[in-house]
This record gives sequence, C-alpha cells and structure tokens, in this order.
Amino acid sequence: EAGVTQFPSHSVIEKGQTVTLRCDPISGHDNLYWYRRVMGKEIKFLLHFVKESKQDESGMPNNRFLAERTGGTYSTLKVQPAELEDSGVYFCASSQTWGQPQHFGDGTRLSIL
Amino acid sequence: GIQVEQSPPDLILQEGANSTLRCNFSDSVNNLQWFHQNPWGQLINLFYIPSGTKQNGRLSATTVATERYSLLYISSSQTTDSGVYFCAVGLGGWNNNDMRFGAGTRLTVKP
Repeated sequence: EAGVTQFPSHSVIEKGQTVTLRCDPISGHDNLYWYRRVMGKEIKFLLHFVKESKQDESGMPNNRFLAERTGGTYSTLKVQPAELEDSGVYFCASSQTWGQPQHFGDGTRLSIL
Repeated sequence: GIQVEQSPPDLILQEGANSTLRCNFSDSVNNLQWFHQNPWGQLINLFYIPSGTKQNGRLSATTVATERYSLLYISSSQTTDSGVYFCAVGLGGWNNNDMRFGAGTRLTVKP
C-alpha cells in the first residue's frame, strides 16, 4: 500500500510569491490533515478534511493560507503571498476514520527568502 | 486545550545504552502516537498506543491512560536511532480529531 505522498519535497521561493503544496493521502482514507513545524517549534495542526469538506480549520494561521480537497482525493495547500515566517516543514497525514492512527507524509520543506 | 509535555528535551547516549522517553498529557485521549523524525525530516510512525504496551524490535512503548502518561523505551541504542522523538495525542472525537504534539526529545547516540 502506498503511503501518504507530498510534493514538492522542498520549495524555495521569494517573499510575496505564491506556492502550492500537494498531498495525496492513502487510498481510501477519508480523513486528511495538514500540520506544520516552523522555526524549530512544535508541530502544529492546521486543518482537517473529511472527504472534500473542511471539518476543522481552527489551526490555519491567517487568510494567506487556502486549503482545498476537491473530489475528496488529493489536497492542496496554497500560500499567497508567502511571508518569511511561513518557512518550515509542512506535513500531511491521513487516517481511515477518526481516532485511527494518522499516517504522515515525508513533508514539504518550504523556504521563504 | 490539551497540553503535551515530553521529557527530557535532550538526551545523549553512548551506543548500546538504554533509554526511556516520557510523554505526559493533560486530558483523556483516544489516540496516542510516537514518531521518530529522522535527520532527513521524515516523520516515522513508531507506535499507535492509546493504552497498553507494544513492542517492535528494540523499541517498546507503554501508555497508562488513567495516569495520563506514555513511555517509549529504546534498548541497545544505535547511531541510527538519533533524531527527534515526538509524542502526539488526540481526543479522537469526530469534530476534534487533530493531533497535539509535544515539543519532542532530541536523542543523540554517539558511536
């Protein structure tokens, strides 16, 4: 079974530009989560999809971040415009149902110059 | 919200030594996972252990849910065990399913 895949693995952009991260969950997993770790701090929850619906987006830092999961399959996380403090590692995870183990992707390392 | 505390924050061992990492949490949880973040930044799922004890090779974990803590044991440590170990907990409700991470324990195993 293929795991959670994320790409790109690393993105370097300048402040003010736009970046889109993609996550493909494990096939059949309705639940998809985004997390991030910035500035060596703790890994923080961003949002949770159940199929194509946003179940909880309480962790989204501001309106420069937009997450979508059209069709309930893969998800994208767009940052527009990117700021320096957005640098960090963005993780995606999926689970079959709530309360089940979450399986994490390898993350996307985002560097804002 | 729920608090997750990990100890120690840093741990340096000689190869072959044993260690115990601890995770305390402030509320009842339905989900607890231990992860190893390797030097390449990948989060490797070690255990899904909301309660009880599990073992996988040189690693084992125990969660005492009633006392709100979990322990990760590493025996006969190897240099490849180096990295950051995270504990993450979740309340597990349908509308409150996000995982809360501790700050991690940074383990360095010296040859």
